[in-house]
Amino acid sequence: GENVEQHPSTLSVQEGDSAVIKCTYSDSASNYFPWYKQELGKRPQLIIDIRSNVGEKKDQRIAVTLNKTAKHFSLHITETQPEDSAVYFCAASTGGNQFYFGTGTSLTVIP
Amino acid sequence: KAGVTQTPRYLIKTRGQQVTLSCSPISGHRSVSWYQQTPGQGLQFLFEYFSETQRNKGNFPGRFSGRQFSNSRSEMNVSTLELGDSALYLCASAPLGLYEQYFGPGTRLTVT
Repeated sequence: GENVEQHPSTLSVQEGDSAVIKCTYSDSASNYFPWYKQELGKRPQLIIDIRSNVGEKKDQRIAVTLNKTAKHFSLHITETQPEDSAVYFCAASTGGNQFYFGTGTSLTVIP
Repeated sequence: KAGVTQTPRYLIKTRGQQVTLSCSPISGHRSVSWYQQTPGQGLQFLFEYFSETQRNKGNFPGRFSGRQFSNSRSEMNVSTLELGDSALYLCASAPLGLYEQYFGPGTRLTVT
């Protein structure tokens, strides 16, 4: 089955700096890559996603890039704010609604 | 639209017992997936139901089962509970033909 690896497991940045989280996947058939943000005690929330026919997608301060050849995708958060502090999960899917998740990155934005 | 709801929110059970968790998807969503979230293993896929049929299944023992009703509400059952089953169980629903999944608040299961 699919295997998704996520790095780093923890990340601390100063407010206003950028944060980058990287994921790799193993199944070349994966074609959908969402990113979820989970605040403490809350449900995961979809923040951005990308499909395999797109190399990059941006939504305000958040962007995701996908390299199908290398089988990796990354989340970029610019101008980080304290409210960006949370655990971020990447995931991959070959279709349907069976997602394989990374192990999460705990992001702390230091004011 | 109301979001995904799960009941109960918290549950304490004893080893060997069984438990049933419930998930009500967003209105109009016909796909419901279940995930187990633990600090050590992260989010792991249990199974997915679509139109009352199990469409995908993860690598969990047969003690974990589920079903979906005609109104798309879903239940998952865990029999013969083990200490290692303590986790947050999340369900997620998705609209027909689209990938985006929306998660419920989860049920926190503690097995003692």
